[in-house]
Amino acid sequence: AQSVSQHNHHVILSEAASLELGCNYSYGGTVNLFWYVQYPGQHLQLLLKYFSGDPLVKGIKGFEAEFIKSKFSFNLRKPSVQWSDTAEYFCAVINGPGGYQKVTFGTGTKLQVIP
Amino acid sequence: EAGVAQSPRYKIIEKRQSVAFWCNPISGHATLYWYQQILGQGPKLLIQFQNNGVVDDSQLPKDRFSAERLKGVDSTLKIQPAKLEDSAVYLCASSPGTDPTKNIQYFGAGTRLSVL
Repeated sequence: AQSVSQHNHHVILSEAASLELGCNYSYGGTVNLFWYVQYPGQHLQLLLKYFSGDPLVKGIKGFEAEFIKSKFSFNLRKPSVQWSDTAEYFCAVINGPGGYQKVTFGTGTKLQVIP
Repeated sequence: EAGVAQSPRYKIIEKRQSVAFWCNPISGHATLYWYQQILGQGPKLLIQFQNNGVVDDSQLPKDRFSAERLKGVDSTLKIQPAKLEDSAVYLCASSPGTDPTKNIQYFGAGTRLSVL
């Protein structure tokens, strides 16, 4: 069965530090990859997505992610975090043949940015 | 545009009682998802509808959970009878279509269920 692993469950950083959150998935076929974010008290919302093309994708608020097919990874990065980036981050993978795609979320990483 | 609406926001029930959650997706969105998110875990897909048909319900505990999407718009998720382990946030999401290039999901605020 498809699985998505986020190895960092809780990350604490000081403002201006660099961020990298890991995401690995198990499916070997074509995948669509996503990072969603949930700020305190808010809905889950899309941060960035990869469907095809350039494996380095840029999202909102200065986030980017790199798809490395050989490593089954889609790690999230930000060069310099801000206090407002404090949130929970979820990696999600959609895979499947033809017209149906099965969606699987990772367990999430809580990021706490200290001013 | 209006977002995904869910109600109620909170629900407290005793075990063995029944409960229902309601979701109104973004207008025109063909695909609707129900997720269960237990504290400390990621959302787990329970059921996925495309219009009013079920695409995937492989992780729905069918002995106690049921869901329907009448007329391909609103949806309800029911639990009967509830168990303690059903305590979770139930999220509804919708996406514009079935094309994978449009499968961005828009989430509602969720319903937090506590089973005592």
